[in-house]
Amino acid sequence: AQSVTQPDIHITVSEGASLELRCNYSYGATPYLFWYVQSPGQGLQLLLKYFSGDTLVQGIKGFEAEFKRSQSSFNLRKPSVHWSDAAEYFCAVGGGSQGNLIFGKGTKLSVKP
Amino acid sequence: GAVVSQHPSRVICKSGTSVKIECRSLDFQATTMFWYRQFPKQSLMLMATSNEGSKATYEQGVEKDKFLINHASLTLSTLTVTSAHPEDSSFYICSAREIGGGGQPQHFGDGTRLSIL
Repeated sequence: AQSVTQPDIHITVSEGASLELRCNYSYGATPYLFWYVQSPGQGLQLLLKYFSGDTLVQGIKGFEAEFKRSQSSFNLRKPSVHWSDAAEYFCAVGGGSQGNLIFGKGTKLSVKP
Repeated sequence: GAVVSQHPSRVICKSGTSVKIECRSLDFQATTMFWYRQFPKQSLMLMATSNEGSKATYEQGVEKDKFLINHASLTLSTLTVTSAHPEDSSFYICSAREIGGGGQPQHFGDGTRLSIL
């Protein structure tokens, strides 16, 4: 079955600290992988995507993610977190002709001053 | 680029009212648009996939007569919640996918908060 697991429901980090949000997926074919961010009461913004090629992808706002096929993972990282990064982060896997996405349950990030 | 506009952002109305939500891709063409529902502190639940010029494909458990979807052009899809009741209160989000291969990302609107009294 196709699925996305984000093991951490809520993470709190100090401003300036590094961040890693975990994402594991189960998908029958070659996956297309995405990270989205959602601020309260708003829609989702695409941070980055992986289709093929270099397994380390750079996104907006200083985020990056690394695709590890052997671990079925696509973890999101940022070297130094800013207070404005506090939000909900969703990992998603997709594919097929329609491009349907399967979302993880999300990880809420809180940033301490 | 890749901006999706969703309108209205918030609706409060009486039970029994029908509510229409619009989703527009402003700077790209989208053959496929998606409608999601999000409950508090939960992930997005796909309701239906909308293709321009054809009937929408609804997910299991979603009433197609309750949630009417029209995708009349490459830049506009609408969701009408018919005879809304308090249990329909939720956050509805649309997304649009650029024309291209399977890896094209979905771009999301800012959502519509629907409150039925």
